[in-house]
Amino acid sequence: DAGVTQSPTHLIKTRGQQVTLRCSPKSGHDTVSWYQQALGQGPQFIFQYYEEEERQRGNFPDRFSGHQFPNYSSELNVNALLLGDSALYLCASSLAGWGYTFGSGTRLTVV
Amino acid sequence: KNEVEQSPQNLTAQEGEFITINCSYSVGISALHWLQQHPGGGIVSLFMLSSGKKKHGRLIATINIQEKHSSLHITASHPRDSAVYICAVDANNNDMRFGAGTRLTVKP
Repeated sequence: DAGVTQSPTHLIKTRGQQVTLRCSPKSGHDTVSWYQQALGQGPQFIFQYYEEEERQRGNFPDRFSGHQFPNYSSELNVNALLLGDSALYLCASSLAGWGYTFGSGTRLTVV
Repeated sequence: KNEVEQSPQNLTAQEGEFITINCSYSVGISALHWLQQHPGGGIVSLFMLSSGKKKHGRLIATINIQEKHSSLHITASHPRDSAVYICAVDANNNDMRFGAGTRLTVKP
């Protein structure tokens, strides 16, 4: 049984570009949450998707957007990248917010 | 003030020592998680607690709901236990709040 799969594992982008990160949830899970983890800090909640809708959102600007597909997989999009967006982006899936499983993350570097 | 506070931030121990990491939180929760993060970023869920105590191998996690406090203990620590340990809570508004993590280094 595959856990949470994130792609790509590493990514380098130029300031001002746009990026899309992908997450496939654990089998049987229907909720996907995204987190940003800056170096040396704990993860910060970006948003959560359930039934293809954004259910909760943290304190992140509108440049951060997402989508959930009918198969429960999810994308995180970041527009107009800033150097400060460089971080590890973690995806976690759960069943209606219970029993979180985390992916290994996508490390984004903005240069 | 962060809603989830961990202590210590950094911890160095000798192999075999008993280790305790503490977590205090200020929000209402439905569950508390202890997570392990290795270099490279992958996170492994160690425990999910809503009350009492859980044990898995050399790891023990306890939670006191009234005091809003949890501890993670590692007995007979080993260099392979070196990692960042993160406390996270399922807040009652259905999102997770994370502590900043405790960086543990176990020396042989």
